[in-house]
Amino acid sequence: GAVVSQHPSRVICKSGTSVKIECRSLDFQATTMFWYRQFPKQSLMLMATSNEGSKATYEQGVEKDKFLINHASLTLSTLTVTSAHPEDSSFYICSAVGVRTEAFFGQGTRLTVV
Amino acid sequence: AQSVTQPDIHITVSEGASLELRCNYSYGATPYLFWYVQSPGQGLQLLLKYFSGDTLVQGIKGFEAEFKRSQSSFNLRKPSVHWSDAAEYFCAVGPSAGFQKLVFGTGTRLLVSP
Repeated sequence: GAVVSQHPSRVICKSGTSVKIECRSLDFQATTMFWYRQFPKQSLMLMATSNEGSKATYEQGVEKDKFLINHASLTLSTLTVTSAHPEDSSFYICSAVGVRTEAFFGQGTRLTVV
Repeated sequence: AQSVTQPDIHITVSEGASLELRCNYSYGATPYLFWYVQSPGQGLQLLLKYFSGDTLVQGIKGFEAEFKRSQSSFNLRKPSVHWSDAAEYFCAVGPSAGFQKLVFGTGTRLLVSP
């Protein structure tokens, strides 16, 4: 089946720094990518939807200046957490959808801000 | 508002025994329903989906789920659990068959005892 690779799987960063998470579709063209966030013992919450070549659409309550999403190609989307703070510590996961495909998920990234 | 409830946070089942994971949803329109499985360090994998038609749907790895509109439920079942089924299971609902804007439940962690 199709594979979505998300990198890094774990990252620890200092408060105030920025972190970039990559999401790649390895064997199909992802027309749409989704970014989710998961807090412990809670469900995955959709943060934003990005279509290749256009600006991401953010869900209500998600700060677009803090969570920068770039979807510059049909196989790559990035999420940059800017000026990270401890409350941004969470599990971030992406999914990618191609033409007539199901949503394929990355392995997730565990972000810890210290 | 759309919501998905998975009432069981943890379930322990003996290997070889049957399994049922509960999922209830609240949705204003025709729901598109999904079950995903997440193994440690892996992305979410689609087990099965219900869009229309036969309310009993078959998925991969021997799983099935039954859509019951009157109960707003989409419970996942497996007649005989294997140790490799130990994982986190997520139920999700969406507005279309295109895997857009999925709303996830909080997940149920399945533990399999020898």
